[in-house]
Amino acid sequence: GESVGLHLPTLSVQEGDNSIINCAYSNSASDYFIWYKQESGKGPQFIIDIRSNMDKRQGQRVTVLLNKTVKHLSLQIAATQPGDSAVYFCAEKTWGSNFGNEKLTFGTGTRLTIIP
Amino acid sequence: DAMVIQNPRYQVTQFGKPVTLSCSQTLNHNVMYWYQQKSSQAPKLLFHYYDKDFNNEADTPDNFQSRRPNTSFCFLDIRSPGLGDAAMYLCATSRDVRLAGPPAGEQYFGPGTRLTVT
Repeated sequence: GESVGLHLPTLSVQEGDNSIINCAYSNSASDYFIWYKQESGKGPQFIIDIRSNMDKRQGQRVTVLLNKTVKHLSLQIAATQPGDSAVYFCAEKTWGSNFGNEKLTFGTGTRLTIIP
Repeated sequence: DAMVIQNPRYQVTQFGKPVTLSCSQTLNHNVMYWYQQKSSQAPKLLFHYYDKDFNNEADTPDNFQSRRPNTSFCFLDIRSPGLGDAAMYLCATSRDVRLAGPPAGEQYFGPGTRLTVT
């Protein structure tokens, strides 16, 4: 079946440095991806999304890169802060024929720890 | 202001004793989802409601049921909880993508209910 997976389960970054979290996907027809942040004891929170007709999208301190050739996307967080410590998931969104059957398939998750 | 509310935040139930988790939303979204998230794992979709239409995932056990009496509320019923059902249960909502066109339909997650089975 199709899957969305992450390369690394944990990542430690010095405060102020940039961090990069990677994700691989297997479905070449996938066309919409989302990054979520999940803090301890909370539900996932939308960070940024990207469609397959783009290779880069920027938000506030975050950038998502999509490489369709190798089916890989990454989340870059600039100037990391203690509040960035969380688990980050990439997710693929798909729709059914009536667009009602929306489904998110999450990757494994990467735990990002910011070192003061 | 809370938009997706889950009660209770922590629930303890006994092995085999039915339990119901609740979710309510103030967003007036027509789609509501239930996910199961086990420790150190990604959320896994159990089922979702598109308005009143129930959509079950193929691998969701029959032990899990859901009810949606109105737009605002959705319930997850576990008929006979086993030890393996201990997890965080996440509720999420989204609006109809056809109103705004894909790829709209961002899912808003509640804080989750952590279920312990003793």
